[in-house]
Amino acid sequence: AQTVTQSQPEMSVQEAETVTLSCTYDTSESDYYLFWYKQPPSRQMILVIRQEAYKQQNATENRFSVNFQKAAKSFSLKISDSQLGDAAMYFCAYRLIMNRDDKIIFGKGTRLHILP
Amino acid sequence: KAGVTQTPRYLIKTRGQQVTLSCSPISGHRSVSWYQQTPGQGLQFLFEYFSETQRNKGNFPGRFSGRQFSNSRSEMNVSTLELGDSALYLCASSLVAGVQGGELFFGEGSRLTVL
Repeated sequence: AQTVTQSQPEMSVQEAETVTLSCTYDTSESDYYLFWYKQPPSRQMILVIRQEAYKQQNATENRFSVNFQKAAKSFSLKISDSQLGDAAMYFCAYRLIMNRDDKIIFGKGTRLHILP
Repeated sequence: KAGVTQTPRYLIKTRGQQVTLSCSPISGHRSVSWYQQTPGQGLQFLFEYFSETQRNKGNFPGRFSGRQFSNSRSEMNVSTLELGDSALYLCASSLVAGVQGGELFFGEGSRLTVL
């Protein structure tokens, strides 16, 4: 069964610094997507970044980038120049491509605190 | 363009009762999925509907059910409520089903408390 593990329940980072959130996953499949979702306090969850497993190049969205290590089944999120608005719960997620059993699987989340 | 709307936002029920939650997707979106969020278990997939058909289902007991209407609006029902059903229930919509359907857009959730 596919699983997603986020080993850091909580993290703190100083404003303007860089922080890396860890995520590992377990699957025997080769075609899938990986995602990072952000859930601010009392607000809707939004997609931060996504990575197709067949792409070797790491995805980047402005201050957010990933380090995707397919062999190690690792998918970490790096947030550069942290801002107060980055404070949120971050969920790593996995989803198969073109498969009947393609339900999205989330990790348990990492709560990120930004220290002013 | 209106986002995903979930109603009610908050509700309190007692054990043994049943509850129905509603989700209106973004206009044009045909896929709706539901998730249960608890502090202990994180986010867990409940089910996904597309074109009024349940396309996929998570590992939840049969007390959890759902349906989708022809206008893509969806409802989920939980019967014989248990204390452990207390959670934030999130709904998400996308253009079509599966990961090819693109980004999931989430609602604000319905917070259910079971006493």
